Order: sequence, then structure tokens, then C-alpha cells
Amino acid sequence: NAGVTQTPKFRILKIGQSMTLQCTQDMNHNYMYWYRQDPGMGLKLIYYSVGAGITDKGEVPNGYNVSRSTTEDFPLRLELAAPSQTSVYFCASRDNTRNTEAFFGQGTRLTVV
Amino acid sequence: AQSVTQPDIHITVSEGASLELRCNYSYGATPYLFWYVQSPGQGLQLLLKYFSGDTLVQGIKGFEAEFKRSQSSFNLRKPSVHWSDAAEYFCAVGGSTGTASKLTFGTGTRLQVTL
Repeated sequence: NAGVTQTPKFRILKIGQSMTLQCTQDMNHNYMYWYRQDPGMGLKLIYYSVGAGITDKGEVPNGYNVSRSTTEDFPLRLELAAPSQTSVYFCASRDNTRNTEAFFGQGTRLTVV
Repeated sequence: AQSVTQPDIHITVSEGASLELRCNYSYGATPYLFWYVQSPGQGLQLLLKYFSGDTLVQGIKGFEAEFKRSQSSFNLRKPSVHWSDAAEYFCAVGGSTGTASKLTFGTGTRLQVTL
């Protein structure tokens, strides 16, 4: 059982470039989340989704976009990368109908130079 | 708005000593509460969770936590710490539907264990 899979694991971007962080889960969870983690700041919620076709902003959505066309996939898009987006990004999923905890991917370490 | 406070940024304990990590939350109804652990360079692993029922929750690796509604707290405890427990610990609060479905994390407590 793969759980939550994030790709890539590492990436270096130049300022102004764009990229998509991929997140896939195979647990048929309805809820999915994107967080960023900066040293000493804990995890900040970027966007979340409660089901296919439904997304909503979290605490720090500026500079990011998401889509949820299927239950399994929840990609995070950076359109114009900035140094402030250097961070570790975590995707998570959860099944609220069965009161499960959130399951996390292994993270994507992104550096913008 | 929901929030979590972990007042201790860094804690150092000796191996074999007891441990308590503090977590205070703000939430409008009965919360779902979680403790996660993160080792360096790794993702987050669930230690334990509280949804309802018994307020003393047992988790993995010998950890437990107690939900105290009157104090809005969900402190994590372990009677005897092992060197392998050195990691960062995160408390989180969430709910089941609507805007409460988002999970909010505290800023974490880094645990150092001395031998």
C-alpha cells in the first residue's frame, strides 16, 4: 500500500520559473492538504480539498494554485517561483467519514535561487 | 479560528527521565486532536489521536496524551524517554466538516535526549 506519494523529492528552481508538485494517494481519502514547513514555523496550510472539484485556501495560499480533478490527485502549482517559496512541502490525505488521522507524504524539498 | 500553541520550542531531558510536552488549542466545538513526530529529513508519523470517548489516549512507542476540555489542553507524556525519541513533535487540531476539516498545527517542540 503506497499511501501518499509526492514527486519530486528535491528540486531547485530559478526565480520566475514554474513547476508542479505532484501528490497522489491510493487510500480513497476525500480530504487532501498541502502544507509548507519552514524552520521554527511548524506546518502552514497552503490549500486543502474536501473532495474532487472542491478546493479552499489555507493560511498561506499566495503564489500557489491547486486543482482536484480526481479523488487521488492533488497537484500544487507554483507559477512564478520566488525565494520566499523555498521550503519543504508536505501533502497529506484524510478520510473524515471514518475519522482517520492525516497521512503524510515524505515531502518535497524546494529551493528557489 | 482554530489554533494550536506549543509553548516549548526546545526541551532537553535525560534518557530514562519522564517527559511532558504541552499543547493548548483553540476550537469552537469538540476537537479532533493529534500528536505527530518528525525525525530529521522525514515525514510526519502519527503518535496518537483523540476523537471522542476516553480522555486518556494511548499511542505508539509508549506515548500517551490526556484531553482536558476545561484547560483546552492535550499534553503528551512518556514515563521514560529513550534516546531514539529525540525528534520534533507537533500537536494538531481539526474537525470533521466544512472549514473545520482543515488541520492546524502548532509550531512544534524539538526534543533533545541526553545520555
